[in-house]
Amino acid sequence: DVQMTQSPSNLAASPGESVSINCKASKSISKYLAWYQQKPGKANKLLIYSGSTLQSGTPSRFSGSGSGTDFTLTIRNLEPEDFGLYYCQQHNEYPWTFGGGTKLELK
Amino acid sequence: QVKLQQSGAELVKPGASVKLSCKTSGYTFSTSYMSWFKQIPGQSIEWIGMIYAGDGGTGYNQKFKGKATLTVDTSSSTAYMDLSSLTTEDSAVYFCARRANWVSVFDYWGQGVMVTVSS
Repeated sequence: DVQMTQSPSNLAASPGESVSINCKASKSISKYLAWYQQKPGKANKLLIYSGSTLQSGTPSRFSGSGSGTDFTLTIRNLEPEDFGLYYCQQHNEYPWTFGGGTKLELK
Repeated sequence: QVKLQQSGAELVKPGASVKLSCKTSGYTFSTSYMSWFKQIPGQSIEWIGMIYAGDGGTGYNQKFKGKATLTVDTSSSTAYMDLSSLTTEDSAVYFCARRANWVSVFDYWGQGVMVTVSS
């Protein structure tokens, strides 16, 4: 199975700031990396897929980059609703696997 | 709009089985794929398996073969997951999620259901 490693596991920031979350795959997954947001009491939200393609409805302050084994989610000009958990998922091969998560907290 | 509504929390005894449901609306269920996931609180998400509602064809994560069985009822647009021979290690939140049509990512998720295995 492809192991996905996210960093950092915790991140504190203030509204208006920019942050980056990294995801590293144990082998090349080409461009096939997705990012999700998870918040208590809400359904998980698909943000980005295929490395950099924004899902419909994802604000343009979110961007994804990378290919092969190294990927980054960047959120610019943080809004209050952006705080929560973020997970990466490789969608290159079965079984689909997820990173360990990054908790983005309010500083 | 697309909705995935999961059944309520379950408390089950070790060795028992439980059947979780995921009732869908707002899209054509019979031509879609549904996946299920496990998340132990505070931990990451694991993909359990997937079912194509059109013909009931399934694919499982090797880790969950023999533990989970996926089925669908197209007449009610509902997906089900049976979990068998439950142990405390099966205590977790379980999610259903629709696979996007064009790529193997999950564009709509249920709210999750907590399964607690305890005597």
